[in-house]
Amino acid sequence: GEDVEQSLFLSVREGDSSVINCTYTDSSSTYLYWYKQEPGAGLQLLTYIFSNMDMKQDQRLTVLLNKKDKHLSLRIADTQTGDSAIYFCAERGPSGYNKLIFGAGTRLAVHP
Amino acid sequence: GAVVSQHPSRVICKSGTSVKIECRSLDFQATTMFWYRQFPKQSLMLMATSNEGSKATYEQGVEKDKFLINHASLTLSTLTVTSAHPEDSSFYICSARTGDSNQPQHFGDGTRLSIL
Repeated sequence: GEDVEQSLFLSVREGDSSVINCTYTDSSSTYLYWYKQEPGAGLQLLTYIFSNMDMKQDQRLTVLLNKKDKHLSLRIADTQTGDSAIYFCAERGPSGYNKLIFGAGTRLAVHP
Repeated sequence: GAVVSQHPSRVICKSGTSVKIECRSLDFQATTMFWYRQFPKQSLMLMATSNEGSKATYEQGVEKDKFLINHASLTLSTLTVTSAHPEDSSFYICSARTGDSNQPQHFGDGTRLSIL
């Protein structure tokens, strides 16, 4: 079955880069997503990557996909206190598959 | 773009009450909407998927008579928690998607439901 795993907690200093990692099991996943959740709020789509891509960059965010190892990472450059939140990795299965499978979320804490 | 509005943001009510939560796509047509439940410090659990004009598809273990979903238009889906009890207290989040399953889901801000 499908499974998505993430480390639960990451602490970084303001201005440093943050790297949040995610592994998934379904090799037929077509899209992989990163969502951000601030306290008491819904999920904000940060970025997503199609499975035939290795990397996608969008301003401070860089997504790397290693399809062979089923490993996805999100790098946040110049991390700010406003980046403190929970980050969810999610995969979508084969074409036409409706559901997203979410990881447990990584809590990012940014300190001065 | 792709804004999803969810109301109310917080509800506190007595046991036995039925509560309706609305999910609206404000600037796009949502062919598919999803309802999730999130327990404290946990990930999202998909409850059901609804397509406009069709009956919702519920995930295993989710009682369809308890959690009524209506997706009457391309911009509105509602979740009604019927005869709510304290164990139904949770954070409920909707998401909406336009087009086919290649399109990303966009989420509302969630509803914190507290049953006394």
